[in-house]
Amino acid sequence: ETGVTQTPRHLVMGMTNKKSLKCEQHLGHNAMYWYKQSAKKPLELMFVYNFKEQTENNSVPSRFSPECPNSSHLFLHLHTLQPEDSALYLCASSQPANYGYTFGSGTRLTVV
Amino acid sequence: LAKTTQPISMDSYEGQEVNITCSHNNIATNDYITWYQQFPSQGPRFIIQGYKTKVTNEVASLFIPADRKSSTLSLPRVSLSDTAVYYCLVGDISFGNEKLTFGTGTRLTIIP
Repeated sequence: ETGVTQTPRHLVMGMTNKKSLKCEQHLGHNAMYWYKQSAKKPLELMFVYNFKEQTENNSVPSRFSPECPNSSHLFLHLHTLQPEDSALYLCASSQPANYGYTFGSGTRLTVV
Repeated sequence: LAKTTQPISMDSYEGQEVNITCSHNNIATNDYITWYQQFPSQGPRFIIQGYKTKVTNEVASLFIPADRKSSTLSLPRVSLSDTAVYYCLVGDISFGNEKLTFGTGTRLTIIP
């Protein structure tokens, strides 16, 4: 356990479904992140939240909608996804300027 | 952003010391060097971070020459469980980690 918990671990959804990914950390970190990792590709930063405020959105399609209700929880709402959105979605948290990210184990998403 | 170059893959036998070198010719004055380890279907795990000279922790050592244009991650006496992808990241972490970019990493395979 890293201190960052992601649920569910695996998710299969149809292109017309709506689902949400959840991330929770109790490390006292103030920044939380969503990353996408597709097969054979580097990690891609999707969203950044600092103190619950979104500070970065790396041109992510609107079918991905993040939500950060407090510093400990982060959600990624999914709707009308495409098969190419199938990937490992990773949540991370950090304290600014202090020893990098702590990642969760990820959600393996398959869009059918 | 400082671009990094790492070998795509490396093989080593159990019990040997493994050195993975990362080139970052355009490193800036305020940039730190951070290494992560990632196992399949898991999030990356922070290994070590440094600015100059040598840093050592219970897992690895990081060697940074005076010009800081490269760095070497050293793993002592590797075991099969060290088989993973290793990422070198370079960037200014003063205000958060979101400016750090993951590359394709080095896939290290430990041979029995």
